[in-house]
Amino acid sequence: QKEVEQNSGPLSVPEGAIASLNCTYSDRGSQSFFWYRQYSGKSPELIMFIYSNGDKEDGRFTAQLNKASQYVSLLIRDSQPSDSATYLCAVTHHFGNEKLTFGTGTRLTIIP
Amino acid sequence: NAGVTQTPKFQVLKTGQSMTLQCAQDMNHNSMYWYRQDPGMGLRLIYYSASEGTTDKGEVPNGYNVSRLNKREFSLRLESAAPSQTSVYFCASGSRGTDTQYFGPGTRLTVL
Repeated sequence: QKEVEQNSGPLSVPEGAIASLNCTYSDRGSQSFFWYRQYSGKSPELIMFIYSNGDKEDGRFTAQLNKASQYVSLLIRDSQPSDSATYLCAVTHHFGNEKLTFGTGTRLTIIP
Repeated sequence: NAGVTQTPKFQVLKTGQSMTLQCAQDMNHNSMYWYRQDPGMGLRLIYYSASEGTTDKGEVPNGYNVSRLNKREFSLRLESAAPSQTSVYFCASGSRGTDTQYFGPGTRLTVL
């Protein structure tokens, strides 16, 4: 069983709609959770991190964490064509551990 | 403020050749990392360095060596390149207080 699982997609969402990306993890002790965006041929770019259960909002992005169910999600409101990218979920197993375990990513396409 | 820089951007090697990938960061981070990214496999940690003078193996260390030259620089060496090492290599540096990591632009390596 993979430690961090994501649906590889592609996920197609109309422009202006909400894109919902999901990630599950197997280690119940995981502490820190991250979302990276990666455009084709480019490096991963950190867009959100969350440590506590609940929601964290930053502009059009909302990260949601549910430790009891072991999932973390990313919502993108008012999706734009520039949001088309692969989104990587990553977790650390202990706070301050620093080593990230990545999922394989979900490819998101925003349809104009 | 360049963030994380990597050289070279592209490299083609023949089987058995050696080379060193260079990485430098100017964010005063203690931690630095080397990852490889392969289609369908996601980002996998090769080696990391929690502080100057220390290095530790990650998930896929075989065939690689690293040197943490100083706080800014972390190099990855392939002593005898193999076709299985064809990949995109990313260096990252991290802030221990938040577990966040920031990536360099990557090196695309092909081993023939």
